[in-house]
Amino acid sequence: EADIYQTPRYLVIGTGKKITLECSQTMGHDKMYWYQQDPGMELHLIHYSYGVNSTEKGDLSSESTVSRIRTEHFPLTLESARPSHTSQYLCASSSTSEETDTQYFGPGTRLTVL
Amino acid sequence: AQSVTQLGSHVSVSEGALVLLRCNYSSSVPPYLFWYVQYPNQGLQLLLKYTSAATLVKGINGFEAEFKKSETSFHLTKPSAHMSDAAEYFCAVSRSQGNLIFGKGTKLSVKP
Repeated sequence: EADIYQTPRYLVIGTGKKITLECSQTMGHDKMYWYQQDPGMELHLIHYSYGVNSTEKGDLSSESTVSRIRTEHFPLTLESARPSHTSQYLCASSSTSEETDTQYFGPGTRLTVL
Repeated sequence: AQSVTQLGSHVSVSEGALVLLRCNYSSSVPPYLFWYVQYPNQGLQLLLKYTSAATLVKGINGFEAEFKKSETSFHLTKPSAHMSDAAEYFCAVSRSQGNLIFGKGTKLSVKP
């Protein structure tokens, strides 16, 4: 079944740790996105990618980095986590061949940095 | 530049009552418009989308939305609320490069 996956779903870590949030999709989509969402708040685009070896920064400045080595995989990395990084991170994908470029979302990773 | 405004951060209705969630947009080009629903601790699920094919769009779970260009609105409705509809709802408009701009969301509560 075509879907979009995120792991881990929940992560609690200490300050200064390096973390990688995983996102994979079996939708066959070329475009992928990362959003940051604080509890009860709107979504802010932090990174997106048009395809392999393409990464762009979004509207919200973020200390995280992303890579796109494979079409289906779009991991997000924080080199040194801080309490200010505590948030929910949502991954999404879409197909630019579709007229509306509709985005489909993963279940999210809730990150807590102590 | 495109933008989205959702009126009312919190809407409360009784079970069986009409649900009306308001969304106004601004766009310099004919927009694509979306409604998403988010249940607690989950990602966003697409409810419906407007693609200019029809002004009244039907989505999943009995929801529908009407595109009104003159009012720059895309309000979401459901004739009869169910307890399972309690969630956060986000309206979004597409930008020229295909990215979405989301509204701040409306939390829907359903009272028994």
